[in-house]
Amino acid sequence: AQSVAQPEDQVNVAEGNPLTVKCTYSVSGNPYLFWYVQYPNRGLQFLLKYITGDNLVKGSYGFEAEFNKSQTSFHLKKPSALVSDSALYFCAVRRTGGGNKLTFGTGTQLKVEL
Amino acid sequence: NAGVTQTPKFQVLKTGQSMTLQCAQDMNHEYMSWYRQDPGMGLRLIHYSVGAGITDQGEVPNGYNVSRSTTEDFPLRLLSAAPSQTSVYFCASRRQGGADTQYFGPGTRLTVL
Repeated sequence: AQSVAQPEDQVNVAEGNPLTVKCTYSVSGNPYLFWYVQYPNRGLQFLLKYITGDNLVKGSYGFEAEFNKSQTSFHLKKPSALVSDSALYFCAVRRTGGGNKLTFGTGTQLKVEL
Repeated sequence: NAGVTQTPKFQVLKTGQSMTLQCAQDMNHEYMSWYRQDPGMGLRLIHYSVGAGITDQGEVPNGYNVSRSTTEDFPLRLLSAAPSQTSVYFCASRRQGGADTQYFGPGTRLTVL
């Protein structure tokens, strides 16, 4: 079975400071990893994904994520947070080799304050 | 492209009523799926389809039916609504390739009284 853990229900950060939203995963074989963002009363929007190759993945709105195979982690980062980044962030995993199921974490609420 | 569309946006049902949540995509995606989102539980997969005429169960299929008669449409039917089905429902689609990104609809907020 595959699973995703997002250990923090909420992350608070001051505007202009760097932010990190943590994600660890468990899957048989190699993973495809995704980050999505959800703004209030909206659907999920794709931010970035890791398929293979470079461990540092760059995505939309200045976000990036680092894949660490030994730690089975895929933490989301941004060098300088904006108030408009405040939203609910989901990490998700799907196994390579034909797996259909995309498994989500429980989400992390990011709050960026002035 | 409209992407993934869902109707209705909001719905209130009484226990025991039935209804269909509509989902359509115009991206010619083979794979479509339904999730429900509940506080503190993330998104849980209800049913999915890898193409017209093919459906399969996800993690929480009980109380829901699906069919896929066309590539574009993937309706979700609640047979006899229960308060435990109060949730936000999201439809999603992607191409069948393993690494392809899944795109989500705007959601349907369902309340069962």
